[in-house]
Amino acid sequence: AQSVTQLGSHVSVSEGALVLLRCNYSSSVPPYLFWYVQYPNQGLQLLLKYTSAATLVKGINGFEAEFKKSETSFHLTKPSAHMSDAAEYFCAVSDRSNTGKLIFGQGTTLQVKP
Amino acid sequence: GAVVSQHPSRVICKSGTSVKIECRSLDFQATTMFWYRQFPKQSLMLMATSNEGSKATYEQGVEKDKFLINHASLTLSTLTVTSAHPEDSSFYICSVEELAGAHYNEQFFGPGTRLTVL
Repeated sequence: AQSVTQLGSHVSVSEGALVLLRCNYSSSVPPYLFWYVQYPNQGLQLLLKYTSAATLVKGINGFEAEFKKSETSFHLTKPSAHMSDAAEYFCAVSDRSNTGKLIFGQGTTLQVKP
Repeated sequence: GAVVSQHPSRVICKSGTSVKIECRSLDFQATTMFWYRQFPKQSLMLMATSNEGSKATYEQGVEKDKFLINHASLTLSTLTVTSAHPEDSSFYICSVEELAGAHYNEQFFGPGTRLTVL
C-alpha cells in the first residue's frame, strides 16, 4: 500500500525567506508524486509533479521539488516566500495503476509573515 | 488541462433532505471522475471513482446508498447525498482524470462544494 506523510502541519516563514515543506512517501513501486496547493474554499491546483523523468522538478510560482529515492522524500521548496504563497499544500502519490487514484498527505498550512 | 466546474458552490439544507452536487468537465470528455470529501483543516479523502456508463467504485467505508453517484455522460457526474445529516457537512471536491503521459493520468480538480446540513 502507498502512503504519504507530510512533516509539520503548520509552517511559518517570513516574506522573502526560504520555504521548505516536507513530504515522505511509502510505495512498493516507483511512485508518481505530486504537490498541490489549495486556497481557502477552493479546489486544488497542481504545483508540480514527478513522473520518473528528472529528479529535480520545477513547477509554477517558483516552486520546485526534488525526488530522492534513497530518502523516500519529495520535499517542496521555494527560495523566497511571497505573501500570496500562504495556503494549504498537499503532497500526493499515485498508485500508477489504471485507477489513477491519488493518496494525499495530511496537508501543511503555510503562513507567510510580513 | 481540463477545466472542471461544480454546482452549487455552497448549499445549506435541512437534516433529512437530499442534495445533488454536479461536477462538469467543460472542455474534456472524461470517462473517469473522482469524488472527494474534505473536513475542515484535514486532507482529501477519496470517496469514489465515477466511471461513465457504469457503476461507481466506492472506497471502503463509504455508504453507497447514502452517496449516490451518477456518471451519465462524458462531461457530467453527480453526487447525491441522500437523507443528509449534520455529520455529512463537509467540502466535496470532484476531479477529472485526463491522460497525461504514456503511463500516468493527471487529475484536475473542481472548485469544491461546501455542504452544510442543519
